[in-house]
Amino acid sequence: GAVVSQHPSWVICKSGTSVKIECRSLDFQATTMFWYRQFPKQSLMLMATSNEGSKATYEQGVEKDKFLINHASLTLSTLTVTSAHPEDSSFYICSAYRGGNPGELFFGEGSRLTVL
Amino acid sequence: DAKTTQPNSMESNEEEPVHLPCNHSTISGTDYIHWYRQLPSQGPEYVIHGLTSNVNNRMASLAIAEDRKSSTLILHRATLRDAAVYYCILRASGSARQLTFGSGTQLTVLP
Repeated sequence: GAVVSQHPSWVICKSGTSVKIECRSLDFQATTMFWYRQFPKQSLMLMATSNEGSKATYEQGVEKDKFLINHASLTLSTLTVTSAHPEDSSFYICSAYRGGNPGELFFGEGSRLTVL
Repeated sequence: DAKTTQPNSMESNEEEPVHLPCNHSTISGTDYIHWYRQLPSQGPEYVIHGLTSNVNNRMASLAIAEDRKSSTLILHRATLRDAAVYYCILRASGSARQLTFGSGTQLTVLP
């Protein structure tokens, strides 16, 4: 089956630094990828939709200057958390859409960010 | 997106069948019913999806009510590794839209 890979799977950083998380579709091309955030004991919340070759679309309340998304190729989207603070500590999950009927969404393994 | 309603939690004994219900009374004719599950500290994993007819795969079965206003995910023999949060999600055919996750059902499997 299709595989979506995230890297790193976990990262610890100091407050004020920036962290980049990669999301790759390994065996299909994904023009659309999605980034979710999940706090402990809560469900996944959509942060933004990443479209290859164009600007990402952010959900209400998500700061686009803080969560930079780049989708420069059909197999790679990156999420950069800029000037991270402890409240940004969370589980970040990406998904990639493989077209078809009905098409499928495949999820990465998730990346756990801890900001000290 | 049409909304789904699931019980917050369910328990099952190991090696017994589990029936996870989902209500989606406002489902539209083009909505597929998808089930995903999320194991602790992992991304969601696809389980099964269907439109009108019941579906079977190696992981589970999906029973869809005739009026499509509800569905049931069936795990035929629960194992400890099936302990997860199960999400029932509706998505329109051919749509590249994101999946909207509800709170899901936390399944506990007792040894």
